[in-house]
Amino acid sequence: DGGITQSPKYLFRKEGQNVTLSCEQNLNHDAMYWYRQDPGQGLRLIYYSQIVNDFQKGDIAEGYSVSREKKESFPLTVTSAQKNPTAFYLCASSGVVNEQFFGPGTRLTVL
Amino acid sequence: GQNIDQPTEMTATEGAIVQINCTYQTSGFNGLFWYQQHAGEAPTFLSYNVLDGLEEKGRFSSFLSRSKGYSYLLLKELQMKDSASYLCAVRAPRQSNYQLIWGAGTKLIIKP
Repeated sequence: DGGITQSPKYLFRKEGQNVTLSCEQNLNHDAMYWYRQDPGQGLRLIYYSQIVNDFQKGDIAEGYSVSREKKESFPLTVTSAQKNPTAFYLCASSGVVNEQFFGPGTRLTVL
Repeated sequence: GQNIDQPTEMTATEGAIVQINCTYQTSGFNGLFWYQQHAGEAPTFLSYNVLDGLEEKGRFSSFLSRSKGYSYLLLKELQMKDSASYLCAVRAPRQSNYQLIWGAGTKLIIKP
């Protein structure tokens, strides 16, 4: 079945540690996105990539990094520079002008 | 600036009809999406409007007026499983890479 997978579902991090969230899609979509969602708020764009080996900062890129070495994969690293990383992280993909499809999300908690 | 407004929370009764409004002020418009998001889960696509008018899809309909910067999602014959947040998102034009600008969502509570 085609879809988007994210792992892990729950992630706990100690302060000062970097963590990497996985996102894989087999929909053959060119574009991929990372969003952050905090309680009671909408989705905020962290990074997006329209094509392999290229990505752009979104509205809240500080403290995050990404790579796009393969069309299917768009991992997100939450670095120690992100001061308030506890949130629900959603990965999405889309064709050029189609709706975005979302993975199940990763809930990150900083201990 | 970019601004999308939705009511924070609405309550409705099982079997009834509810209308969730969305108003937007954005620098460019290339379509409006509605998504449903159950608590702790990912958003799922409901509807897309790019031209003025009503799009009907089963129990759900979505309306768009571009001149008024206004859309609504209409849910009929409400069921308990419709309890969720409903997110409105405006797609930016091509020169902005078709990014989606998201509203904060409307939490819909269905009572028996």
